[in-house]
Amino acid sequence: QVQLQESGPGLVKPSETLSLTCTVSGGSISSYYWSWIRQPPGKGLEWIAYISYSGSANYNPSLKSRVTISVDTSKNQFSLKLNSVTAADTAVYYCARGDNPFDYWGQGTLVTVSS
Amino acid sequence: QSALTQPPSASGSPGQSVTISCTGTSSDVGGYNYVSWYQQHPGKAPKFMIYEVSKRPSGVPDRFSGSRSGNTASLTVSGLQAEDEADYYCSSYAGSNNHVVFGGGTKLTVL
Repeated sequence: QVQLQESGPGLVKPSETLSLTCTVSGGSISSYYWSWIRQPPGKGLEWIAYISYSGSANYNPSLKSRVTISVDTSKNQFSLKLNSVTAADTAVYYCARGDNPFDYWGQGTLVTVSS
Repeated sequence: QSALTQPPSASGSPGQSVTISCTGTSSDVGGYNYVSWYQQHPGKAPKFMIYEVSKRPSGVPDRFSGSRSGNTASLTVSGLQAEDEADYYCSSYAGSNNHVVFGGGTKLTVL
């Protein structure tokens, strides 16, 4: 059974960079696409980006200028960096397998942007 | 790209059927066979329920079905059960660059 687990700081200061890692277990990161999706408190889902195991990435146009997604097949991990964060970036961040559909999801991690 | 349009709420009594719509454009819902649906209970991660408009992953009850007409996709839940009370989201590829867009979500209440 494939499992995904997000990790990273739960609190980030405004203007700084949010960094999260997703560790995949129970299966190889190869041969699939991997995504980041977020959900502000009380709001809906927003796709951020996806990346193939070979490193080909696709970004939400509204976030593209601030986002970098990367993959490390040797560690079975992929990562998200979002720079110049503001309070509007406060959300639960999910990692997921796939590029639509998303068939396996992590439990999510709340990242709060506050000084 | 704009979010897909879903009704904020839907409801039905146990045993009844309810349909949730997801309206987009010919550049997303109407243009791709890659519409998916997710169920999310409070405080939990979304669960994958439907893919490619109408296909059910293994383990999803056949009470859940998907369809599409033009630029509007629909999720129908038949034989409503208390455990079906949750938020439901649709998603689709959007545009020629295969970006992904979600609907705003629908809160399903079982009366």
